[in-house]
Amino acid sequence: DAKTTQPPSMDCAEGRAANLPCNHSTISGNEYVYWYRQIHSQGPQYIIHGLKNNETNEMASLIITEDRKSSTLILPHATLRDTAVYYCIVRPFYNQGGKLIFGQGTELSVKP
Amino acid sequence: AAGVIQSPRHLIKEKRETATLKCYPIPRHDTVYWYQQGPGQDPQFLISFYEKMQSDKGSIPDRFSAQQFSDYHSELNMSSLELGDSALYFCASSYTGGNTDTQYFGPGTRLTVL
Repeated sequence: DAKTTQPPSMDCAEGRAANLPCNHSTISGNEYVYWYRQIHSQGPQYIIHGLKNNETNEMASLIITEDRKSSTLILPHATLRDTAVYYCIVRPFYNQGGKLIFGQGTELSVKP
Repeated sequence: AAGVIQSPRHLIKEKRETATLKCYPIPRHDTVYWYQQGPGQDPQFLISFYEKMQSDKGSIPDRFSAQQFSDYHSELNMSSLELGDSALYFCASSYTGGNTDTQYFGPGTRLTVL
């Protein structure tokens, strides 16, 4: 079973920041938070991951609370192409061959 | 950058036939994973291989088998196909030699069973 909880859907205006929350209150000390997205029927796309520090890359920023029980993915300037289902997944660090467990995800709609 | 390659991209089969899906991982990646995504569902893990050995196993039917070859590519063999096997099948790969083993997904194979 997925160990995360996400809102089923969110809307965002084009050009504005999209903030996608994720609750992972049972996360273990050796588990990372991963974010993937899936644009309609395409392969899931890796976005970012983190352990306890905030992380930023060219796609997004990841803010993890100090207690690590929740996180927020931030797309700073959402475009129409960011419309997708976003999955927050917790997974043990360096788990050779270990699976990703996809939960419900958040369907983000970016509107003009 | 090179990505995961899957072939074929589309496959149509009849019930009770067999199908073979192929996955070519990103160069230097040593682990492959297979996922199944039914219509309107989230991806579900099937099986994974690390250095040609089965590493983890999910809800993969006994009718399905998979292996990873010496060049690290993988094949998913599906026999006695059923209508319910119609789905998207994704392969992902990762490299365990770094400090994380992030999985990168291929474009998928859409299997339709008639």
